Amino acid sequence: GNSVTQMEGPVTLSEEAFLTINCTYTATGYPSLFWYVQYPGEGLQLLLKATKADDKGSNKGFEATYRKETTSFHLEKGSVQVSDSAVYFCALIRIQGAQKLVFGQGTRLTINP
Amino acid sequence: GAGVSQSPSNKVTEKGKDVELRCDPISGHTALYWYRQRLGQGLEFLIYFQGNSAPDKSGLPSDRFSAERTGESVSTLTIQRTQQEDSAVYLCASSPRGGGQQSSYNEQFFGPGTRLTVL
Repeated sequence: GNSVTQMEGPVTLSEEAFLTINCTYTATGYPSLFWYVQYPGEGLQLLLKATKADDKGSNKGFEATYRKETTSFHLEKGSVQVSDSAVYFCALIRIQGAQKLVFGQGTRLTINP
Repeated sequence: GAGVSQSPSNKVTEKGKDVELRCDPISGHTALYWYRQRLGQGLEFLIYFQGNSAPDKSGLPSDRFSAERTGESVSTLTIQRTQQEDSAVYLCASSPRGGGQQSSYNEQFFGPGTRLTVL
């Protein structure tokens, strides 16, 4: 079946540090990959996506590259800010069918000033 | 415009009671999804509606769980005879179109969730 495994948290960094949150997946066929973010007190929001191998998704300074050979979609940001503190979820879907999202367990990120 | 709304935001109930959770999707969105997140775990899919039919209910954990949707509008998730393991945050999402033979992803917009605690 389809599954997503992501780096366990919590992760605590200082402002302007480099961020990596690892995500690997198992899927049949060719899934699309996503990072969702949940800021404190808010609902889940789509952060970025990639729909085929070697695609790079980017948004708000975050990037992730769809690596089929390593079945990975690691989230990176060169210089984090306090406002990036949130819970980050890696997820996949199969485009065909119900397009139901399969999520990782989430990584809580805290950025200290 | 309004996003996805859910009610109640918090629900505390006693084991064995029935509960109803409500989701109001974004107007015009034909697809609606229910997910839940138990403590320390990722979100897990429960059920998908396209219009008022549910072509995929494979994630419902037991026959105590049911859901319905009125047209392309509000959906209700009902849990009968609640158990402590039902405690979780229940999230609803809607999208402009659902799955099927689509060739692209239809973004799902999430509501704030209902936190259910079963004592």
